[in-house]
Amino acid sequence: GENVEQHPSTLSVQEGDSAVIKCTYSDSASNYFPWYKQELGKGPQLIIDIRSNVGEKKDQRIAVTLNKTAKHFSLHITETQPEDSAVYFCAASKGMDTGRRALTFGSGTRLQVQP
Amino acid sequence: IAGITQAPTSQILAAGRRMTLRCTQDMRHNAMYWYRQDLGLGLRLIHYSNTAGTTGKGEVPDGYSVSRANTDDFPLTLASAVPSQTSVYFCASSDATLPRNEQFFGPGTRLTVL
Repeated sequence: GENVEQHPSTLSVQEGDSAVIKCTYSDSASNYFPWYKQELGKGPQLIIDIRSNVGEKKDQRIAVTLNKTAKHFSLHITETQPEDSAVYFCAASKGMDTGRRALTFGSGTRLQVQP
Repeated sequence: IAGITQAPTSQILAAGRRMTLRCTQDMRHNAMYWYRQDLGLGLRLIHYSNTAGTTGKGEVPDGYSVSRANTDDFPLTLASAVPSQTSVYFCASSDATLPRNEQFFGPGTRLTVL
């Protein structure tokens, strides 16, 4: 099955700096790559996603890049703010059948933005 | 609109006891999922349901069962709890007819099995 690896496990940056989180996946058939943000005591929430027919997607301070050949994708957060502090998860899925479209998650990155 | 709710919020359970975690969504999503979250392991899929009346096994289904009698509810049952099932459990739902399979998560249930 699919295996998603995520690095780093923890990341501390100064407010205003950029943060980058990287993920690799094993199954070349995966075609959908979302990123979720989880705040303390809450469930994960989708912040951005990318499909395999696109190399980059941006939404304000957040961007995601995808390299299908290398099977890796990254989350970029610019001008970080204290409220960006949370755990971030990458995920991958494939196919149209819901079972196969179920997400395989990375192990998470705890981001701390220092004021 | 509540979205997706889970109950209980937390529970301490003796090993060997039976426990049902409840999950309800009001978004009329066809697909629902149960994940467990353990430190350093991210979220792992336990069971899923494409639509009411159907269920399927995920990555870590052993020791768990689910049912999907209607669109809104997707309970997860531990028939005989063991300490390794201590975890935080998240229910999620999505409209799997859409190309973007955005999953909406509940607030989670923290379960401790002693």
